[in-house]
Amino acid sequence: QKEVEQNSGPLSVPEGAIASLNCTYSDRGSQSFFWYRQYSGKSPELIMFIYSNGDKEDGRFTAQLNKASQYVSLLIRDSQPSDSATYLCAVNALANQAGTALIFGKGTTLSVSS
Amino acid sequence: NAGVMQNPRHLVRRRGQEARLRCSPMKGHSHVYWYRQLPEEGLKFMVYLQKENIIDESGMPKERFSAEFPKEGPSILRIQQVVRGDSAAYFCASHGRDNSPLHFGNGTRLTVT
Repeated sequence: QKEVEQNSGPLSVPEGAIASLNCTYSDRGSQSFFWYRQYSGKSPELIMFIYSNGDKEDGRFTAQLNKASQYVSLLIRDSQPSDSATYLCAVNALANQAGTALIFGKGTTLSVSS
Repeated sequence: NAGVMQNPRHLVRRRGQEARLRCSPMKGHSHVYWYRQLPEEGLKFMVYLQKENIIDESGMPKERFSAEFPKEGPSILRIQQVVRGDSAAYFCASHGRDNSPLHFGNGTRLTVT
């Protein structure tokens, strides 16, 4: 059973701080890793994706991947109240040779206080 | 360039009725996925389709649920004889080439009374 684990939170940080969101996955063969943001009652919105070990930066967001530890994280610098949402970690699981299916964690709720 | 389009946005059905959820992928996308999200739960994979083919239905309940993606027209997720436990948000997502990111539609909120 392929699993993706996240702390449900809530993770509370003050405005301007760094928020660190963590995710572990069970399938060592996973190749693609994604972070989605989901506001309450809305659909998931892609924030970042990472395929290789190391860091990938996009604006205030940095994704970090460590395949040896089966660990992926998302850092949000200069957190804003508008960042308050549930963050979903997703990992690809090869369904078969023809395609892929993303497996999602349950999400971490982030609350940024002003 | 329109995104993934789902309709209806909200659907109310009585127990025993059928629910039909429609999804049109982004232009140029041929891979369609259906996910279900229960309150306080994560997104659960249901089925993956390409045009006229079901590639992976390992997440679909064995009974009452079916999906299709015909050559022409949207993908359809059909739930027969709905029960209260089917109440959830159903999201469709699509992507182009393999391993490219999934883009989600706004979802259909199904309520079974």
